[in-house]
Amino acid sequence: NAGVTQTPKFQVLKTGQSMTLQCAQDMNHNSMYWYRQDPGMGLRLIYYSASEGTTDKGEVPNGYNVSRLNKREFSLRLESAAPSQTSVYFCASSEGWVGPQHFGDGTRLSIL
Amino acid sequence: KNEVEQSPQNLTAQEGEFITINCSYSVGISALHWLQQHPGGGIVSLFMLSSGKKKHGRLIATINIQEKHSSLHITASHPRDSAVYICAVRKSGGSQGNLIFGKGTKLSVKP
Repeated sequence: NAGVTQTPKFQVLKTGQSMTLQCAQDMNHNSMYWYRQDPGMGLRLIYYSASEGTTDKGEVPNGYNVSRLNKREFSLRLESAAPSQTSVYFCASSEGWVGPQHFGDGTRLSIL
Repeated sequence: KNEVEQSPQNLTAQEGEFITINCSYSVGISALHWLQQHPGGGIVSLFMLSSGKKKHGRLIATINIQEKHSSLHITASHPRDSAVYICAVRKSGGSQGNLIFGKGTKLSVKP
């Protein structure tokens, strides 16, 4: 069972470059999330998608955009990367908004 | 002040010891989650609870809604339990995105 798959696992970017983090789930979940995890801080929600076709801002959305391409896929885009966006990014999904969330393995992103 | 506080931040135990990790929160909640983050980084959901107590193998989670407090217990700890344990709460009446995470408790179990 693949669960939640994130690509890439590691990425190094230069300031100002753009990139898209991909996330796909095979559990037929309606809800999907993007978090970032920084040292000394808890996971923080960037964006979420309650269902296919909808997206909403979380706690720290600035500098990011998302696309819920279909029920399976939820991508996170950095249009102009900044060093402050160096972090570990996690995608998660849940069947409904009250259920447990299933996490991907994370993407470690460094911006120089 | 953080809405979700965990204690201790770091915990070292000997194999076989009984371990308790605490989580206190300051908001009204509809559910509380315990998660485990492995040394390699992967995150796994352990429990979701809104009242009482849940048990899975050597892990027990309890919650006291009136006191706004939850505990995660590990019985007969083992080195493979070494991980970061994260408490998260879903605010009651909030939007779907309102899952607030604690900073985690890093547990190291020595053989």
